[in-house]
Amino acid sequence: DIVMTQSPLSLPVTPGEPASISCRSNQSLLHSNGYNYLEWYLQKPGQSPQLLIFLGSDRASGVPDRFRGRGSGTHFTLEISRVEAEDFAVYYCMQSLKTPYTFGQGTKLDI
Amino acid sequence: QITLKESGPTLVKPTQTLTLTCSFSGFSFSTSGVAVGWIRQPPGQALEWLALIYWDDDERYSPSLKSRLSLFKDTSKNQVVLTMTNMDPVDTATYYCVKGIRAFTIWGQGTMVTVS
Repeated sequence: DIVMTQSPLSLPVTPGEPASISCRSNQSLLHSNGYNYLEWYLQKPGQSPQLLIFLGSDRASGVPDRFRGRGSGTHFTLEISRVEAEDFAVYYCMQSLKTPYTFGQGTKLDI
Repeated sequence: QITLKESGPTLVKPTQTLTLTCSFSGFSFSTSGVAVGWIRQPPGQALEWLALIYWDDDERYSPSLKSRLSLFKDTSKNQVVLTMTNMDPVDTATYYCVKGIRAFTIWGQGTMVTVS
């Protein structure tokens, strides 16, 4: 199985400030077709997760442009340019290159 | 509008078999490229991918749970059924139904299953 490791697991942030979450895999997620099969999900308290970023850097429909996915191969980052109150939640990375798809441990963004 | 909704028992006893149904609307398995999967989340813990079934009847399972899982899709009813045998308290979790082959664009509301 591909192991996904997120850091930090907890990230204190002040509203209006930027935030960055790291996600590393123990195998490259770069497919021969040139795409990185890495997704980012956001889970707000009491809610189902929702897709933020797919293919490493493509924003899902309706996702604000303050969210940016970067990286390739084995190291990826999710950047939030200016954190807003609604962004305080848990963020997960997931690899979809090979089954079983695997998630990181989650990063809690809090004040 | 695409929606998915999970249904099934909220409480099962150890060693019993869990059967969960995902009922969906807004898409069909008759369309190429469609897949529905299951993901679970124990209380306070991370997400865990369980299984995926494709429009062409291909199925993929988590190797660690493969011997206990099975999927069935009912194209006429727009449903996917997940069965998990020999339930254990460690299987207590919220079980989510999801749409997508790789990126899961739509999630169900989830159903909490307690094994006790």
